[in-house]
Amino acid sequence: QKEVEQDPGPLSVPEGAIVSLNCTYSNSAFQYFMWYRQYSRKGPELLMYTYSSGNKEDGRFTAQVDKSSKYISLFIRDSQPSDSATYLCAMSDPNRDDKIIFGKGTRLHILP
Amino acid sequence: EPEVTQTPSHQVTQMGQEVILRCVPISNHLYFYWYRQILGQKVEFLVSFYNNEISEKSEIFDDQFSVERPDGSNFTLKIRSTKLEDSAMYFCASTQGRTGELFFGEGSRLTVL
Repeated sequence: QKEVEQDPGPLSVPEGAIVSLNCTYSNSAFQYFMWYRQYSRKGPELLMYTYSSGNKEDGRFTAQVDKSSKYISLFIRDSQPSDSATYLCAMSDPNRDDKIIFGKGTRLHILP
Repeated sequence: EPEVTQTPSHQVTQMGQEVILRCVPISNHLYFYWYRQILGQKVEFLVSFYNNEISEKSEIFDDQFSVERPDGSNFTLKIRSTKLEDSAMYFCASTQGRTGELFFGEGSRLTVL
């Protein structure tokens, strides 16, 4: 089983819809969980960062971590065409946190 | 807003040539990283660097790769003898502490012919 699994998409949703993106992982030692957004031919940009389980909200973005299920989610409310990008989940083990493992990324298209 | 800067933005080289990719991390950051992304594939960890030494490296980071912080601001990745499969986007990243809040540069696209 891969350490981090993420559906590559593409995922197409109409403008204004709620978007749900998710990743599963196999390493129970992961404690730091991140979501990055990557526009085409650009570097990843940190969107959300959470430690351990729970929810975190920042504007239209909500990150959820369920460690018991080894499942993390990113929700985008009131989606806009400018949200169209690739979303990468990433996670790390605090005992080895020099190495952050990324998912493959989900390509998201918001249709005007 | 402080940012990580990388040069060159694109480099084309012949197989077997040496390449140096340069990065200027955010000034008060202490941990530095190189990642690569082959077109259409995931972002892959190459190496992390702290306190003037490599702290971790992946299996990709073989003897053909090296990193250096030659002065107080630059962080370089050298590929000694490039191969076709080294063609990728190389991202430099930095963070203040070991917390995973990486700040990435725009990337250097390497094309090996």
